Amino acid sequence: DGGITQSPKYLFRKEGQNVTLSCEQNLNHDAMYWYRQDPGQGLRLIYYSQIVNDFQKGDIAEGYSVSREKKESFPLTVTSAQKNPTAFYLCASSISGETQYFGPGTRLLVL
Amino acid sequence: QKEVEQDPGPLSVPEGAIVSLNCTYSNSAFQYFMWYRQYSRKGPELLMYTYSSGNKEDGRFTAQVDKSSKYISLFIRDSQPSDSATYLCAMSFDSNYQLIWGAGTKLIIKP
Repeated sequence: DGGITQSPKYLFRKEGQNVTLSCEQNLNHDAMYWYRQDPGQGLRLIYYSQIVNDFQKGDIAEGYSVSREKKESFPLTVTSAQKNPTAFYLCASSISGETQYFGPGTRLLVL
Repeated sequence: QKEVEQDPGPLSVPEGAIVSLNCTYSNSAFQYFMWYRQYSRKGPELLMYTYSSGNKEDGRFTAQVDKSSKYISLFIRDSQPSDSATYLCAMSFDSNYQLIWGAGTKLIIKP
């Protein structure tokens, strides 16, 4: 089955710790995205990548980092510089920009 | 003023009613318009996709775009309790890899 997988489903972060969220797709899509969703709010773009080895900052990139070494994978690291990381994180991919397909999400909580 | 405005709701209607969900936008350059459905604690799923103006129908769902008024709508006929979810509108410019999102409307269908 083609799709997007995210892991883990839940992630707990201690203060000062960096954590990495996984996103993998087997749809052969060129573009991949990371969004943050806070309760009762829409999606805010963190980073996106149109091709391998290239990525751009979105609206709220501070405190986050990404890599795109393979077409299928786009991991997101939440660094200790992100002071309010508790949120629902969504990964998406698309062939072109118009329609994006989402993974099931990772819920990040701070201990 | 946000680029895309969407009433957060919640909108509560009885089963079987016709539901109307709306978004307004400020930038006349938007060409692609999408509606996503998001169940609680899940990733959004693409529901409807429309290019430029006009109507598009898919089963019980109809998407309308009125570019002259900068207004898009999603109609749901014969609403079911399983339609209870948050509905997000999104739009993009031509050849652009970023989507601009509404905040989402929470819809509750009462049995």
